[in-house]
Amino acid sequence: QITLKESGPTLVKPTQTLTLTCTFSGFSLTNSGVGVGWIRQPPGKALEWLALIYWNDDKRYSPSAKTRITITKDTSKNQVVFLMTNMDPVDTATYFCAHIDGYEKFDYWGQGTPVTVSS
Amino acid sequence: DFQMTQSPSSLSASLGDRVTITCRASQDISNFLAWYQQKPGQVPKLLIYDASTFHSAVPSRFTGSGSGTHFTLTISSLQPEDVATYYCQNYNSAPFTFGPGTKVHIK
Repeated sequence: QITLKESGPTLVKPTQTLTLTCTFSGFSLTNSGVGVGWIRQPPGKALEWLALIYWNDDKRYSPSAKTRITITKDTSKNQVVFLMTNMDPVDTATYFCAHIDGYEKFDYWGQGTPVTVSS
Repeated sequence: DFQMTQSPSSLSASLGDRVTITCRASQDISNFLAWYQQKPGQVPKLLIYDASTFHSAVPSRFTGSGSGTHFTLTISSLQPEDVATYYCQNYNSAPFTFGPGTKVHIK
């Protein structure tokens, strides 16, 4: 059974760096084709894909945010870490991590973690 | 810039109605198109991938079709539990963009 869970601060101040951790079970990020992505959803708005890391440490980033985002993995801990620098109130959203296997369709999702950016 | 668009942005239909949602990609994505359903207050759920292949436990009243730049999601007979926002997503190549969503209401 595949599960993912996001963790991190619920409140960050403008200009700070957001660090979120996705802890997963039921799959290994060492298996060919497997990856974990990050998607966010501002309140009342649409889903926005942000980043993806693959089993072979290849990474993809959204062009709109690639200068601010870093994604890494720790396969020994079954975790993926997402960093976003220079946070702004417009980054207020629920942040989801999600699993892919073979192709970049997100078949299993975490419950999401809400992040508010405010001073 | 690569874009995904959806129409309509929202719709209201009666129970039992046939409902069709359209998704368009700004460039050819072959059949690398997924549909997600997000019910109010819930996590998005994968419904269909490869434009027309059901993910697990998806009711047969949902159908996906299309290829290239034009895709549709059809609900053959709208049910109360189908009230949700539906998103399409490109996974042909990065960026793996989602569409803006279509909100489905019951009239």
